Amino acid sequence: EAAVTQSPRNKVTVTGGNVTLSCRQTNSHNYMYWYRQDTGHGLRLIHYSYGAGNLQIGDVPDGYKATRTTQEDFFLLLELASPSQTSLYFCASSTGTGGYEQYFGPGTRLTVL
Amino acid sequence: GDQVEQSPSALSLHEGTGSALRCNFTTTMRAVQWFRKNSRGSLINLFYLASGTKENGRLKSAFDSKERYSTLHIRDAQLEDSGTYFCAAVMSNYNVLYFGSGTKLTVEP
Repeated sequence: EAAVTQSPRNKVTVTGGNVTLSCRQTNSHNYMYWYRQDTGHGLRLIHYSYGAGNLQIGDVPDGYKATRTTQEDFFLLLELASPSQTSLYFCASSTGTGGYEQYFGPGTRLTVL
Repeated sequence: GDQVEQSPSALSLHEGTGSALRCNFTTTMRAVQWFRKNSRGSLINLFYLASGTKENGRLKSAFDSKERYSTLHIRDAQLEDSGTYFCAAVMSNYNVLYFGSGTKLTVEP
């Protein structure tokens, strides 16, 4: 089964702080995704990537940067965190070829004070 | 976006009963996934369908791309089924999931 891990699992920072969320998948998937999930909403796509060095903009990209350093690793960067970015963040991966099923990590809960 | 409309937003069931959740799509979707978010906040993968139906224990899901909907049926609900259920669909020509807003299911004794 697909393995997607995220770190940290919980993070508290202050307004204006610099935060990096990490995601690693060990299934040789091409696509990786970052979502945020807020109460009353489904998951919303922030950024995604179809390979190392590639970055695609999702539906809610403002205030977020991302970088795909290797096929396995995808990072989400909040350079000037704001309270509106307090959320539950999920990373996911998929093969991108011949199927579209996504496999999700356990989530990172971020609180911006 | 509003590509996926999920209903109901909340549902309460007594143990042993059942019901159905539904997602309607505003455009043709290639595939659908159903998830349950548990009390720890983790997303549990329930089903992935590109067409037809799948069944797993007390859960059954159907996906009709042409009619633009998917359903998740729960029978003989148990307390541990409580949580928030999400559907998500892959739009044709894209490789991203569009999520519904979720159904909060509460199963009561």
